[in-house]
Amino acid sequence: DTEVTQTPKHLVMGMTNKKSLKCEQHMGHRAMYWYKQKAKKPPELMFVYSYEKLSINESVPSRFSPECPNSSLLNLHLHALQPEDSALYLCASARSNTGELFFGEGSRLTVL
Amino acid sequence: GENVEQHPSTLSVQEGDSAVIKCTYSDSASNYFPWYKQELGKGPQLIIDIRSNVGEKKDQRIAVTLNKTAKHFSLHITETQPEDSAVYFCAASRGTGNQFYFGTGTSLTVIP
Repeated sequence: DTEVTQTPKHLVMGMTNKKSLKCEQHMGHRAMYWYKQKAKKPPELMFVYSYEKLSINESVPSRFSPECPNSSLLNLHLHALQPEDSALYLCASARSNTGELFFGEGSRLTVL
Repeated sequence: GENVEQHPSTLSVQEGDSAVIKCTYSDSASNYFPWYKQELGKGPQLIIDIRSNVGEKKDQRIAVTLNKTAKHFSLHITETQPEDSAVYFCAASRGTGNQFYFGTGTSLTVIP
């Protein structure tokens, strides 16, 4: 089982809205990641959680706020986003002993 | 930090022919090299990977080779089929909890 589940699949929000993206995995992976992907570009790392602690923040603007409530869940809270933040947001988790990284299907975000 | 370069950016092959995608990396501490296939509207899917203690790995029609001395690795797809059409990304990492550095992607089109 290599499933990473992301919800919602699609999200449209205004610049004053507050919304959250959710990610769940039940593979026992202890490293979880948020990536942002623009069309025709590679995934761009935003955050890494290792054992439920934030270990890497790639200088992401504070309008993106990650949260790891437990080892299976990862959230990305969104507030006061800009239209240029529209993108596919990918969650991933890594198998602890081998390092294999598995992606979810992503949440397609549109900011109006 | 690590820098991963990927070539070509686009590749068109006739069905049944082989396709080769090449990547180079700069960080000699990178020890894990996965390849991802991303279909339109979906998240990247891990298709094959190789570690620095191995020179070649094969899984049915897909193979990956690694030259640690030259710091390059390649994806080989034989007997290509239309369903192989997708964007392929290479990546390099030092392992779990660390960053994955992605190449810029190759858009593969298999012409029936």
